[in-house]
Amino acid sequence: RKEVEQDPGPFNVPEGATVAFNCTYSNSASQSFFWYRQDCRKEPKLLMSVYSSGNEDGRFTAQLNRASQYISLLIRDSKLSDSATYLCVVNPISGGYNKLIFGAGTRLAVHP
Amino acid sequence: ETGVTQTPRHLVMGMTNKKSLKCEQHLGHNAMYWYKQSAKKPLELMFVYSLEERVENNSVPSRFSPECPNSSHLFLHLHTLQPEDSALYLCASSQDSLIKTLGGNNEQFFGPGTRLTVL
Repeated sequence: RKEVEQDPGPFNVPEGATVAFNCTYSNSASQSFFWYRQDCRKEPKLLMSVYSSGNEDGRFTAQLNRASQYISLLIRDSKLSDSATYLCVVNPISGGYNKLIFGAGTRLAVHP
Repeated sequence: ETGVTQTPRHLVMGMTNKKSLKCEQHLGHNAMYWYKQSAKKPLELMFVYSLEERVENNSVPSRFSPECPNSSHLFLHLHTLQPEDSALYLCASSQDSLIKTLGGNNEQFFGPGTRLTVL
């Protein structure tokens, strides 16, 4: 089983749509969770951290379900500029090295 | 700009060549990383350096040789590579290499990458 699994997509949505991505992780001891965004042929950049209580940043909402070991990202009112690959990232060990485990990413294409 | 630069941005090399990738971070961070991103695969961590000391080698073949002369610079020396080594090589840095607190700032900042093609 992969350490971090994501649906590769692509998700093709119109502008203004709401879209949700899910991600599952295998290591139940994982402590830190993130969503990174990667534009085509560019480096990954942190979109947001994911906290146990869930957190929101503008149009983006991240949720964590430890019992089921999954993380979600909800994007409301999609913009053309949201088109990118969204990477689910897990830091597996608390107190250990800052070692990120990446999912393969979910591709989002927002069209007019 | 992320404050992490990489050179060259593109590299084409033969299997018998020796080349080096360079990474420099201007963020005052103490930890640096090499990742490999192959087509349609997740980023794979290769090496972790903390205060110039290698703290993790993720079962990387010896044809990849990292070097960290100081906390701002990281190199990846390449020799006798294989075509399957063609990939995007990304450097990253973070404030610390250890996760100090739950939910602490573990953010890693990535450079733009070197796209390597091995012929």
